[in-house]
Amino acid sequence: DSGVTQTPKHLITATGQRVTLRCSPRSGDLSVYWYQQSLDQGLQFLIHYYNGEERAKGNILERFSAQQFPDLHSELNLSSLELGDSALYFCASSVGGLAANEQFFGPGTRLTVL
Amino acid sequence: GENVEQHPSTLSVQEGDSAVIKCTYSDSASNYFPWYKQELGKRPQLIIDIRSNVGEKKDQRIAVTLNKTAKHFSLHITETQPEDSAVYFCAATRLAGGTSYGKLTFGQGTILTVHP
Repeated sequence: DSGVTQTPKHLITATGQRVTLRCSPRSGDLSVYWYQQSLDQGLQFLIHYYNGEERAKGNILERFSAQQFPDLHSELNLSSLELGDSALYFCASSVGGLAANEQFFGPGTRLTVL
Repeated sequence: GENVEQHPSTLSVQEGDSAVIKCTYSDSASNYFPWYKQELGKRPQLIIDIRSNVGEKKDQRIAVTLNKTAKHFSLHITETQPEDSAVYFCAATRLAGGTSYGKLTFGQGTILTVHP
């Protein structure tokens, strides 16, 4: 158990819908990263938050957005869902700060868009 | 941006043999290189990492080597066991500086199968 929690574990929805994935980092970690894992794209970085502020964006679609709340949990919002959005979504947390540190991954949320 | 290439995509070995997985990276500013093991349907788990001020790091049966000049790093697993069977990912990032720090760029993964 990494100490990072993600809910829900599984999510099945239809095209055009909107979903929210939730992540709670390890106690004391200020950085949260979101990654998407699919068979064709592999593990891809989406976005990084540090202590409530967005720090970096990867190849994140405009239909996707995220935020980190004062209690440091983070939410990834996916809207106007398409079949191709079906994937495993992981969040990872680290101590953060000026230097990168070891990232601990949560168990992931498996999103299926029908 | 950073690009990480990983080879081979699949690797099959007999129990007790060694396994080597290689990665190359493109961004000379990258200076932190973790390796993750992912079992089917599970989260990636860090198994070893190396920073660019070190050429080699070892942890029991696992070792990682880094060649900064050639921009490649390798994972070595000795005395492989069936429970080593999993997908292994290499990654690269900057330790600090710029907006890309901490963002992991992953290789494509290697499916390692250890036959008893």
